[in-house]
Amino acid sequence: RKEVEQDPGPFNVPEGATVAFNCTYSNSASQSFFWYRQDCRKEPKLLMSVYSSGNEDGRFTAQLNRASQYISLLIRDSKLSDSATYLCVVKGNTGGFKTIFGAGTRLFVKA
Amino acid sequence: NAGVTQTPKFRILKIGQSMTLQCTQDMNHNYMYWYRQDPGMGLKLIYYSVGAGITDKGEVPNGYNVSRSTTEDFPLRLELAAPSQTSVYFCASSYSRSGETQYFGPGTRLLVL
Repeated sequence: RKEVEQDPGPFNVPEGATVAFNCTYSNSASQSFFWYRQDCRKEPKLLMSVYSSGNEDGRFTAQLNRASQYISLLIRDSKLSDSATYLCVVKGNTGGFKTIFGAGTRLFVKA
Repeated sequence: NAGVTQTPKFRILKIGQSMTLQCTQDMNHNYMYWYRQDPGMGLKLIYYSVGAGITDKGEVPNGYNVSRSTTEDFPLRLELAAPSQTSVYFCASSYSRSGETQYFGPGTRLLVL
């Protein structure tokens, strides 16, 4: 089992749609969780951190379920510019703060 | 601030050749990282450094070496290039190891033939 697993996609959605990405992680001791965005042939960039209480940033909402070891990202009112790969990232707080990147979920938003 | 810069952007190597991938950051970050990203895969940590003079192995260190003589620079050395090292290499830095944000460079695309 992979340490961090994501739906590979791709997700093809029309503009204005709501899309949800899921991510599961295997290490119950993981402490920090993030979503990164990676545009085609570009470097990853932090989209948002994921907190136990859930957090929202404009059209983006991230949630964490520690009991189920599950993280989600919801994008509302999709824009063409949201087309990218979304990486789920999990970090521990021991062993050198090991950071594990998921393989990513590809999103295409079409007009 | 330029952030994290990497050179070269693209390189083709023959099997057995060697090269150094350069990485520089101007944010005075102590922590620096080298990752490789293969198609359809997540980033894999090759080496990391917690400060000048201190480096440690990541998940996939075989075939690579690093050094950290200054806070700013963290070069990655490939001694005997192999086709399995064809990948995109990203350098990153962060303020602390537990810090939330890793800032990535634009990447180096390496093809080994």
